[in-house]
Amino acid sequence: NAGVTQTPKFRVLKTGQSMTLLCAQDMNHEYMYWYRQDPGMGLRLIHYSVGEGTTAKGEVPDGYNVSRLKKQNFLLGLESAAPSQTSVYFCASSYSERSYQETQYFGPGTRLLVL
Amino acid sequence: AQKVTQAQTEISVVEKEDVTLDCVYETRDTTYYLFWYKQPPSGELVFLIRRNSFDEQNEISGRYSWNFQKSTSSFNFTITASQVVDSAVYFCALSEAESNTGKLIFGQGTTLQVKP
Repeated sequence: NAGVTQTPKFRVLKTGQSMTLLCAQDMNHEYMYWYRQDPGMGLRLIHYSVGEGTTAKGEVPDGYNVSRLKKQNFLLGLESAAPSQTSVYFCASSYSERSYQETQYFGPGTRLLVL
Repeated sequence: AQKVTQAQTEISVVEKEDVTLDCVYETRDTTYYLFWYKQPPSGELVFLIRRNSFDEQNEISGRYSWNFQKSTSSFNFTITASQVVDSAVYFCALSEAESNTGKLIFGQGTTLQVKP
């Protein structure tokens, strides 16, 4: 039982390049989330999904897109990376029923540097 | 608007000292959950505790204890007899029932350094 995994662990991009971050969970969770962590700002929600085929915007969605084609996977895409997207990205998942009370389980994070 | 404030950016203590990390939250929802997560130097986020808005009982788990006071909208975390392994960034977070999305609103985090 791997829990929540993220690929890659670290990536360096040049401004304008694109990339996809992959999050996978093996706990059969319905809800999945992408957060970014920046110094002094805690974690902020980028996008989330309440089930396969559904996605919604969080607090800071600009410059990102997501897809949830399979229940266990949640992809975060950067179409044209900008230095402001340099951050640590965390994926999380939780059960669906009364989601507000569920504990979110986090992946190990992806460190992204945009030059 | 919902908000979580951790006013202490950094705290430094000497091993065996007790330390309290403050967390103040704002919400209009009457049903919500509060969480504490630990982020050690290795970077992962480790769940510590969750507390619902209807349960104001304090909780103790080993050297850790949590004090939830709705009257002051606070959910403070105390480490008794701190150890070097407690050095980490600690996050307080809020989840509201009204949104029913489970999204967490995080505080800015408090960096705790425990010196030997």
